[in-house]
Amino acid sequence: QQELVESGGGLVKPGGSLSLSCTASGFALGDFYMSWIRQAPGKGLEWLSYISKSGDTIKYADSVMGRLTVSRDNARRSLYLRLNSLRSEDTAVYYCARDLPAAVAGFDLWGPGTQVVVS
Amino acid sequence: EIVLTQSPATLSLSPGDRATLSCRASQSVSRYLAWYQQKPGQSPRLLIYDASNRATGVPARFSGGGSGTDFTLTISSVEPEDFAVYYCHQRFNWQSTFGQGTKLEIK
Repeated sequence: QQELVESGGGLVKPGGSLSLSCTASGFALGDFYMSWIRQAPGKGLEWLSYISKSGDTIKYADSVMGRLTVSRDNARRSLYLRLNSLRSEDTAVYYCARDLPAAVAGFDLWGPGTQVVVS
Repeated sequence: EIVLTQSPATLSLSPGDRATLSCRASQSVSRYLAWYQQKPGQSPRLLIYDASNRATGVPARFSGGGSGTDFTLTISSVEPEDFAVYYCHQRFNWQSTFGQGTKLEIK
């Protein structure tokens, strides 16, 4: 069974940093582009970042540019997110998601998400 | 940034009705648009990728169409399990954005 599981969420203080991980199982992480997406309470989805299969190309949303760093370790089957200078608006469920290889637009596998509260 | 505008915000229908959801992009995204379904407390589920391709396991009652700036998601006959929030998503030039969502509710 193919699965993504995020971890590292919790309560963090404004101005601080958060570090999240996403662990893949049931498939080779290195075969896929990956993304981070978040969802504030009661709100819609917000795309944060793409990272290429090898990690040599990373794109960020303008809203988090300069505060967000994404990386991956395919051997460890893991994707990472670090967000600095936290604000209350960063409170959200953070998801990692896998690109459907046959598509340009389409995330075919999502983790259950990890909740982050900035307070 | 490409803005996606979904309409209507809320769609009230009865089981068996036909549902048509719209997504309009602020500039052309070619056919690089996807649709997702999200139920409360769950992660989004991919329904349609690249405008008109059904994802694996998605029932045939779901169909997508459009190109450029105007896209639609159609549910030919709404089933009770289809009441949820639907999001469109574009990816163009390595940047992605989501629409604000359409809530499909029971009338």
